[in-house]
Amino acid sequence: SQTIHQWPATLVQPVGSPLSLECTVEGTSNPNLYWYRQAAGRGLQLLFYSVGIGQISSEVPQNLSASRPQDRQFILSSKKLLLSDSGFYLCALEGEDSYEQYFGPGTRLTVT
Amino acid sequence: AQTVTQSQPEMSVQEAETVTLSCTYDTSESDYYLFWYKQPPSRQMILVIRQEAYKQQNATENRFSVNFQKAAKSFSLKISDSQLGDAAMYFCAYDNYGQNFVFGPGTRLSVLP
Repeated sequence: SQTIHQWPATLVQPVGSPLSLECTVEGTSNPNLYWYRQAAGRGLQLLFYSVGIGQISSEVPQNLSASRPQDRQFILSSKKLLLSDSGFYLCALEGEDSYEQYFGPGTRLTVT
Repeated sequence: AQTVTQSQPEMSVQEAETVTLSCTYDTSESDYYLFWYKQPPSRQMILVIRQEAYKQQNATENRFSVNFQKAAKSFSLKISDSQLGDAAMYFCAYDNYGQNFVFGPGTRLSVLP
């Protein structure tokens, strides 16, 4: 079965510092991968999705970027964090049969 | 662009009772998928139920069932025999075969003992 790992689970970073969040998946090959952000008590905002190594599509212009250096690795980065980057970041992969999305446990980011 | 609307920001239900969460969506497509996700306080997103638009039969998963009205573009979730563990945020979602996955804003469900 498919498993999604996210690291770290929680992170507190000062404004202006860099960011690197990692998502790795197991139990599947060449999955479509997604990064979402969720503000407290709010819905999910799609940030990036990737259909393969080196293929990234951005949904929202911002100071974040994403990369997919390996088939089962998806990284979310920033060179300089803003206060507005605080939130809960979720990585997801698309199911092979029915297009549902499966989510990792998430990373809680607080920018101070 | 496809949109998903959940008109009930918050709902509450008595334990063991039944509750229905509403969802409407907008699309010009004829074939697509609809989903309900649950997000408990742990914030792990969990798939509750899935409906293919080309299937007329409403999906059911144990105590969870949907009322899918394609013409009305309505997709409500019914939770029967509510349990304390059902307390969570519930998100309705639409997907057009992987082309456009869209979530609604969510409904917070409280279960009263």
